[in-house]
Amino acid sequence: DVKVTQSSRYLVKRTGEKVFLECVQDMDHENMFWYRQDPGLGLRLIYFSYDVKMKEKGDIPEGYSVSREKKERFSLILESASTNQTSMYLCASIGGGMNTEAFFGQGTRLTVV
Amino acid sequence: QKEVEQNSGPLSVPEGAIASLNCTYSDRVSQSFFWYRQYSGKSPELIMSIYSNGDKEDGRFTAQLNKASQYVSLLIRDSQPSDSATYLCAVNSGGTDKLIFGTGTRLQVFP
Repeated sequence: DVKVTQSSRYLVKRTGEKVFLECVQDMDHENMFWYRQDPGLGLRLIYFSYDVKMKEKGDIPEGYSVSREKKERFSLILESASTNQTSMYLCASIGGGMNTEAFFGQGTRLTVV
Repeated sequence: QKEVEQNSGPLSVPEGAIASLNCTYSDRVSQSFFWYRQYSGKSPELIMSIYSNGDKEDGRFTAQLNKASQYVSLLIRDSQPSDSATYLCAVNSGGTDKLIFGTGTRLQVFP
């Protein structure tokens, strides 16, 4: 059974804190993604990675950074959390080639106060 | 212009009817097209993928792709209340594995 696991289901942080969201997949997938989901805006791509230590900006990278030191782990970092980063964060992984189904983690509901 | 566009709905259909969900995309190079279903408070799950022009059927679901018109649709036959969810259209961007989602269409199936 394929699995993408996000480290926290709910998280509350203070403005200005550095926040780490972790995502681990056990499918040996090359591609991993971070999205945020807000009402009426759908899933917006923050960053993605197609290999270890490789990353590319998505549509809304401002205020975020990522790290991929191992193939199975992709971390999203909020350098200095702000209230407008309150959102649902979803991690996904895709195998690559013809196997392009995305598997999602359970999501992290982040509230910045 | 958004890369992937969907009507936000809600689309309301009676039980047993056909629900028709539509999606347009802007990147002509796109090769892979997906429909995901998302129940409230849950993560998206894949229900259909389609890669070539025409129709693809899987049970009560039919995906239709028209690359010339940059249009992909999802038909749900014999709609059930359990089909009530948000349906997300997703397209790979620029011929890569970068996956771009539409904002989703909320479907309500009433008994």
